[in-house]
Amino acid sequence: EDQVTQSPEALRLQEGESSSLNCSYTVSGLRGLFWYRQDPGKGPEFLFTLYSAGEEKEKERLKATLTKKESFLHITAPKPEDSATYLCAVAPTSGSRLTFGEGTQLTVNP
Amino acid sequence: DTEVTQTPKHLVMGMTNKKSLKCEQHMGHRAMYWYKQKAKKPPELMFVYSYEKLSINESVPSRFSPECPNSSLLNLHLHALQPEDSALYLCASSRGRDQPQHFGDGTRLSIL
Repeated sequence: EDQVTQSPEALRLQEGESSSLNCSYTVSGLRGLFWYRQDPGKGPEFLFTLYSAGEEKEKERLKATLTKKESFLHITAPKPEDSATYLCAVAPTSGSRLTFGEGTQLTVNP
Repeated sequence: DTEVTQTPKHLVMGMTNKKSLKCEQHMGHRAMYWYKQKAKKPPELMFVYSYEKLSINESVPSRFSPECPNSSLLNLHLHALQPEDSALYLCASSRGRDQPQHFGDGTRLSIL
């Protein structure tokens, strides 16, 4: 069975304090790993897709990396507007279902 | 603004009512999805349509009835819902199985 575990569950940072979110996964075959950001009362907003170990993607203060067992979302010099829940999801090579992690709730204080 | 549009944004209904949720996308995506999300939990898959045909039903109770009238539209018909069905209902679409799913902002459903 596919499994995704995100850590920490919650993270509080001061503005400018860089950190990383972790997404560990177990899947029979990985077709893709996706990162989403979700604000309260909104749908998940797509951030990145990673397909193979060693791949990296960047967008503004966010950088996502992928190994064979986990993915990291690095946040450099975060701002209060980066506060949100960050979700990781994996797509297996068989089937159409995404398996989501429980998410990391990030709060960035000014 | 998201490229997947869901209406209504909020819906309050009694357990005997019949209502429908609507979802529309104009990105040319051929896969569309319905999810249910409870507070502080990740989205749970309900249904998947691929090329306008139902391909996955995650053992969803029959009081939820999906419909895909064309490649841009997805409906979820609701009947005789229970209080535990109160949740955020999300629609998503994707170009293919290995492509990211793009979500709408959901319909917040409350069952009285």
